[in-house]
Amino acid sequence: AQKITQTQPGMFVQEKEAVTLDCTYDTSDPSYGLFWYKQPSSGEMIFLIYQGSYDQQNATEGRYSLNFQKARKSANLVISASQLGDSAMYFCAMRERTDRGSTLGRLYFGRGTQLTVWP
Amino acid sequence: GAVVSQHPSWVICKSGTSVKIECRSLDFQATTMFWYRQFPKQSLMLMATSNEGSKATYEQGVEKDKFLINHASLTLSTLTVTSAHPEDSSFYICSLPTPGWGAFFGQGTRLTVV
Repeated sequence: AQKITQTQPGMFVQEKEAVTLDCTYDTSDPSYGLFWYKQPSSGEMIFLIYQGSYDQQNATEGRYSLNFQKARKSANLVISASQLGDSAMYFCAMRERTDRGSTLGRLYFGRGTQLTVWP
Repeated sequence: GAVVSQHPSWVICKSGTSVKIECRSLDFQATTMFWYRQFPKQSLMLMATSNEGSKATYEQGVEKDKFLINHASLTLSTLTVTSAHPEDSSFYICSLPTPGWGAFFGQGTRLTVV
């Protein structure tokens, strides 16, 4: 089964509007971390936001917020007041603990959502 | 500044030659480094896990003799694509996990084999 599912290959939003990028995940580990990354055409991976599985409140970082619904295993990214520079590929990712209980495990990535912001 | 420095950022090589990609950790002890490959318009796929002072572990389907990983120190992990072919053309990127669920990425390397 897919660890991370992003069902929106592409999304379009007008400048200054809000947009939600969907992400669902699958894990049996009660301790995990959820991440969103932005990848512009240059290829660099830009960290946007992190949510820990035990965090009670939804994470927020400036214009980014993560709508964490644990029971539904959902971790949607909300970008408020979209800007032209937000046009990029967005990846949802998850990290579980390793077999030894470490948090230094690999990241599982979704297939990504290509966001286009138009004027 | 960058926590992980990856070089080169792009490289073009002839078919049959080898290419070495370096990822250098600038601020953290890199006991583990992950190497991902990304084809155009696709997701990042884990190729291998590089462990300092020991053998790398490869994901299923990744040829360990073709993608040589060396992690001889706490600051440097290298990926060498041996006898490169056009189908190896891809974007390669390393990732350093840090305690507390953090992760830093190198800038990535675009490899084109002609």
